[in-house]
Amino acid sequence: DSGVTQTPKHLITATGQRVTLRCSPRSGDLSVYWYQQSLDQGLQFLIQYYNGEERAKGNILERFSAQQFPDLHSELNLSSLELGDSALYFCASSSRPGTEGTQYFGPGTRLLVL
Amino acid sequence: TQLLEQSPQFLSIQEGENLTVYCNSSSVFSSLQWYRQEPGEGPVLLVTVVTGGEVKKLKRLTFQFGDARKDSSLHITAAQPGDTGLYLCAGGGSNYKLTFGKGTLLTVNP
Repeated sequence: DSGVTQTPKHLITATGQRVTLRCSPRSGDLSVYWYQQSLDQGLQFLIQYYNGEERAKGNILERFSAQQFPDLHSELNLSSLELGDSALYFCASSSRPGTEGTQYFGPGTRLLVL
Repeated sequence: TQLLEQSPQFLSIQEGENLTVYCNSSSVFSSLQWYRQEPGEGPVLLVTVVTGGEVKKLKRLTFQFGDARKDSSLHITAAQPGDTGLYLCAGGGSNYKLTFGKGTLLTVNP
């Protein structure tokens, strides 16, 4: 158990819909990272927050957005969903702002868009 | 865009065999991490190497960072079924982002 929790574990929805994925970091960790994992693209970095502020942005689509709340939990919002958005979405947390710290990954949310 | 190529993509071996997987890039990374991911779970960090030429050992696993900090290898001695999983390398840079390779899926048969 990494100490990072993600909900829901599975999500099935239809094209055009909007969903919210939730992540609670390890106690004390200020950094939260979101990743998307698919068979063809592998694990892709989406976005990072550190202590409530956006720190780094990766290959995140404009239809996707995220935020980190004062209690440090984070949410990833996916809208106007397309079939190609079906993937595993991971959240990771770290005590450091950069990549030098260990990232602890949650169990993931498996999203299926029909 | 920094890319990490991992090879082989798939590897199926018998228990007791040795193996090496590779992670290569044309870019220089400040650090290189190796993760193992099991089905239905998130990746788990195995090791971080930061110095060119660095070698780290973790029981039967040996990790090496290339002198130019563009490549890395993971060698497993006497593989066991418990080593089965997806091995991912990830490069860290000054931009706070980790770039992951697509992984090597290792199956160790008893």
